[in-house]
Amino acid sequence: DSGVTQTPKHLITATGQRVTLRCSPRSGDLSVYWYQQSLDQGLQFLIQYYNGEERAKGNILERFSAQQFPDLHSELNLSSLELGDSALYFCASSVDRTGQNTQYFGPGTRLTVL
Amino acid sequence: GESVGLHLPTLSVQEGDNSIINCAYSNSASDYFIWYKQESGKGPQFIIDIRSNMDKRQGQRVTVLLNKTVKHLSLQIAATQPGDSAVYFCAETYIGNDMRFGAGTRLTVKP
Repeated sequence: DSGVTQTPKHLITATGQRVTLRCSPRSGDLSVYWYQQSLDQGLQFLIQYYNGEERAKGNILERFSAQQFPDLHSELNLSSLELGDSALYFCASSVDRTGQNTQYFGPGTRLTVL
Repeated sequence: GESVGLHLPTLSVQEGDNSIINCAYSNSASDYFIWYKQESGKGPQFIIDIRSNMDKRQGQRVTVLLNKTVKHLSLQIAATQPGDSAVYFCAETYIGNDMRFGAGTRLTVKP
């Protein structure tokens, strides 16, 4: 158990809908990262938050947004969903903002868009 | 563009043998590397890391080797067990930059 929690574990929805994925980082970690992993694909970095502020953006679509709250949990919002958005979405946390420390991953949310 | 990649997408070994998983990186500025293990249906799990001021680091049954000259990283697993079957990712980063992951190598351990 990495100490990172994600909810829900599974999510099935329809095209055009909007969903919110939730992540709670390890105790003491200030950075939260979101990744997308499609079938047989590697991890694609989406976005990073550090202590409530957006720190880095990767290949995140404009239909996607995220935020980190004062209690450090984070939410990833996916809107106008398309079939191609079906994937595993992972949250990871680390102690600082530099990316120079280990990221600990949550169990992921499997999103299926029908 | 610069990228992280893996030489072999699949690796099959006999139980008890040693496994070697390789990773090539192209960004010579990268100075921190991590190996992750991902079992089916689970999130990536940290195995071992190494910084660029080292060329070898050992953990429990695992060793990571870093060759900065040829920009190559390897993960050695001693006495491979069925529980080692998983996808292994290497990741690289340098300060201020995003962590980038390789595509992964699927390790299958045959009993």
